Amino acid sequence: DAEITQSPRHKITETGRQVTLACHQTWNHNNMFWYRQDLGHGLRLIHYSYGVQDTNKGEVSDGYSVSRSNTEDLPLTLESAASSQTSVYFCASRATGIDTQYFGPGTRLTVL
Amino acid sequence: KQEVTQIPAALSVPEGENLVLNCSFTDSAIYNLQWFRQDPGKGLTSLLLIQSSQREQTSGRLNASLDKSSGRSTLYIAASQPGDSATYLCAATPQPNAGGTSYGKLTFGQGTILTVHP
Repeated sequence: DAEITQSPRHKITETGRQVTLACHQTWNHNNMFWYRQDLGHGLRLIHYSYGVQDTNKGEVSDGYSVSRSNTEDLPLTLESAASSQTSVYFCASRATGIDTQYFGPGTRLTVL
Repeated sequence: KQEVTQIPAALSVPEGENLVLNCSFTDSAIYNLQWFRQDPGKGLTSLLLIQSSQREQTSGRLNASLDKSSGRSTLYIAASQPGDSATYLCAATPQPNAGGTSYGKLTFGQGTILTVHP
């Protein structure tokens, strides 16, 4: 069955380290999104992509970057992890012309 | 900037009750409004999606309504069950812009934590 996966599911890192969170979907969806979920803020959009080589900044993009080299993957990179980036990160994908977004299981990141 | 608010933040009801979850949004120029369910430690599952031209959508015991003019949506759950316990989130999608860069950009509310006890 087609699916969307995230790895790792849990990660602990130190302030200042570079971290990459993986997102992989097998639906061949063109549109992919990264959100973070924090208590008191709900889910907020970090970056999104409408296709290969396309990336766009979301609401809370500072300190994050993405790249889209193929349809299936949208890795999220924290250039220099900060304690404020401790959060749960969700990846989502959506087919062009279809409104429903499908979410991955999330990655819980702790920055010490 | 779109802001989405959900009330109440938490709700505890006995099994069998009918209940209503509320969602309000500040910018009525939405493309659609979606309701999601999130179980602890899991991702989000789409429950219902209402297009801006629609007034309501139904799926089983769930009914979602949309009133764009007042900036409100409600999720009605009939005959609640303990298995309905979860966090329910609503999210608004903006109207597509000329540059086509608004598709799928969801603005979420903070969610309502629902507990249905036997």
